[in-house]
Amino acid sequence: DGGITQSPKYLFRKEGQNVTLSCEQNLNHDAMYWYRQDPGQGLRLIYYSQIVNDFQKGDIAEGYSVSREKKESFPLTVTSAQKNPTAFYLCASSPFSGGAGGANVLTFGAGSRLTVL
Amino acid sequence: KNQVEQSPQSLIILEGKNCTLQCNYTVSPFSNLRWYKQDTGRGPVSLTIMTFSENTKSNGRYTATLDADTKQSSLHITASQLSDSASYICVVSASNAGGTSYGKLTFGQGTILTVHP
Repeated sequence: DGGITQSPKYLFRKEGQNVTLSCEQNLNHDAMYWYRQDPGQGLRLIYYSQIVNDFQKGDIAEGYSVSREKKESFPLTVTSAQKNPTAFYLCASSPFSGGAGGANVLTFGAGSRLTVL
Repeated sequence: KNQVEQSPQSLIILEGKNCTLQCNYTVSPFSNLRWYKQDTGRGPVSLTIMTFSENTKSNGRYTATLDADTKQSSLHITASQLSDSASYICVVSASNAGGTSYGKLTFGQGTILTVHP
């Protein structure tokens, strides 16, 4: 089945540690995105990538890093610089992020829940 | 500042009843509006997407309406089922000048719907 696979589903981090969340898609989509979801708030964009080896910061990129070495993969690293990393992280993809208003529908993964101990 | 406000924050209904969720937005220039359903602990799944020229779109028991003049949208659920219990998220996309860069998405905070037997 085509889709987006995020792992791990649950992750615990000690303060001062970096952790990496995996996101893999087999939809042949060009664009990939990382969002953060907190209770009672709308999704916020962390990073996005329209093409391999290129990515742009979203609204809340501080304390996060990404890479896009392969079309299928867009891992997110939550660094120790992120002061409040406990959240639900969602990876998404779309066929092409360009065009007027980015009209392509996003396909989301099942999410990764990160908790800082 | 682009904003999307959803109401009510939460709603409880009995199985078989209808309900309507509201979405008001101040996103400009407007490109399209989407409704997503998010089950607890899962990623959002697209229900509908409407452009400026569309004022209604259905997906099974879900019917979305759009009034671009008043910048309001609603999602009507008919004959609710227990499986409709979820968070419903309104997402508005803004156009970009030139139409080649990422279409900015603004997410509402969601309406949590609970359907009781």
